[in-house]
Amino acid sequence: RKEVEQDPGPFNVPEGATVAFNCTYSNSASQSFFWYRQDCRKEPKLLMSVYSSGNEDGRFTAQLNRASQYISLLIRDSKLSDSATYLCVAGANFGNEKLTFGTGTRLTIIP
Amino acid sequence: NAGVTQTPKFRVLKTGQSMTLLCAQDMNHEYMYWYRQDPGMGLRLIHYSVGEGTTAKGEVPDGYNVSRLKKQNFLLGLESAAPSQTSVYFCASRLAGGTETQYFGPGTRLLVL
Repeated sequence: RKEVEQDPGPFNVPEGATVAFNCTYSNSASQSFFWYRQDCRKEPKLLMSVYSSGNEDGRFTAQLNRASQYISLLIRDSKLSDSATYLCVAGANFGNEKLTFGTGTRLTIIP
Repeated sequence: NAGVTQTPKFRVLKTGQSMTLLCAQDMNHEYMYWYRQDPGMGLRLIHYSVGEGTTAKGEVPDGYNVSRLKKQNFLLGLESAAPSQTSVYFCASRLAGGTETQYFGPGTRLLVL
């Protein structure tokens, strides 16, 4: 079983729609969680950190459920520019020196 | 402030050749990482460093060596390249601390023939 698992997609969503991604992690000792975004042939970039209380940044909402060990990302009013691969990330050990990346979920927003 | 830079951007090697990939960061980050990314496999950690003079193995260290002689640089060496090492290599760095953001370099595309 992979340490961080995501549905690879692809998700093809019409512009303006709401889309949700889920991700599960296996290491109960993980202390930090993130969503990264990766555009085609580019490096991953931080989209947002994920906090236990949930957090929102504009159209993006991230939630963490420690009991079930899953992380979610909700994108509202999707834009064409949201088309990318979204990587779920969890701290891999107690000290969180290492991060484990999911394989990513590919999202395409359709005009 | 250039962030994380990688050299070279692209390289073609023949099987058995050696090369060194250079990663440099100007953010005074303690932690540095080398990943490879292959289709369907996601990012896999090769080696990492939590400080100058220290290195540790990641998930897929075989066939690679690293050195961190200076805090700002992290070198990845391939002693005898194999076609299986054809990949995109990303370097990353971050401050110490569990919730700190990890910043990536633009990547190096390596093709081993």
